[in-house]
Amino acid sequence: LAKTTQPISMDSYEGQEVNITCSHNNIATNDYITWYQQFPSQGPRFIIQGYKTKVTNEVASLFIPADRKSSTLSLPRVSLSDTAVYYCLVGGTGTASKLTFGTGTRLQVTL
Amino acid sequence: GAVVSQHPSRVICKSGTSVKIECRSLDFQATTMFWYRQFPKQSLMLMATSNEGSKATYEQGVEKDKFLINHASLTLSTLTVTSAHPEDSSFYICSASPGGLRGSGGYTFGSGTRLTVV
Repeated sequence: LAKTTQPISMDSYEGQEVNITCSHNNIATNDYITWYQQFPSQGPRFIIQGYKTKVTNEVASLFIPADRKSSTLSLPRVSLSDTAVYYCLVGGTGTASKLTFGTGTRLQVTL
Repeated sequence: GAVVSQHPSRVICKSGTSVKIECRSLDFQATTMFWYRQFPKQSLMLMATSNEGSKATYEQGVEKDKFLINHASLTLSTLTVTSAHPEDSSFYICSASPGGLRGSGGYTFGSGTRLTVV
């Protein structure tokens, strides 16, 4: 399973764009990159998933360079409610694929 | 979207007793479910993989006799913490994926169970 490295914490002001980068140097050819958000005392919630280039949905964008050794989660115009821990995971998409969580990035959004 | 329901959300038990946590996939069948444990301010740690109709696969360092897993149907997996001790107090979370097109969004997690052993 590919190991991921993320910043432990980040701070942002409300309304700003936040970019969280994750390194995954040992990503395998079949691996996808998935980001989850977790609030205190709740299970993680899926944010976005991608394989290469750029993926965008209603809440975030995911940028993946050609070598796929890193990825960047972009949260546009964050609000206080985006304060959470964000996890980058790398792995297969099969229903039996194990997920290994790294340390995650604790994002603190303030006024 | 796919929903995983986990119960109870919070439980307090006396040391030495056993506690059962249920994880249900509400609108899809899950042949595989995963159980995680999370201590305060720490990341999720995979405990075991629950396989429908067969024995669970435990991660290194997880006592299979202490954390009993039963995956008797395609929509239900249970985790029983036997002879619980205060050090077992933690946040337990299950997850599953519907697979196929619905699974392209990754795994769905339950809301977690806060276990406190007193």
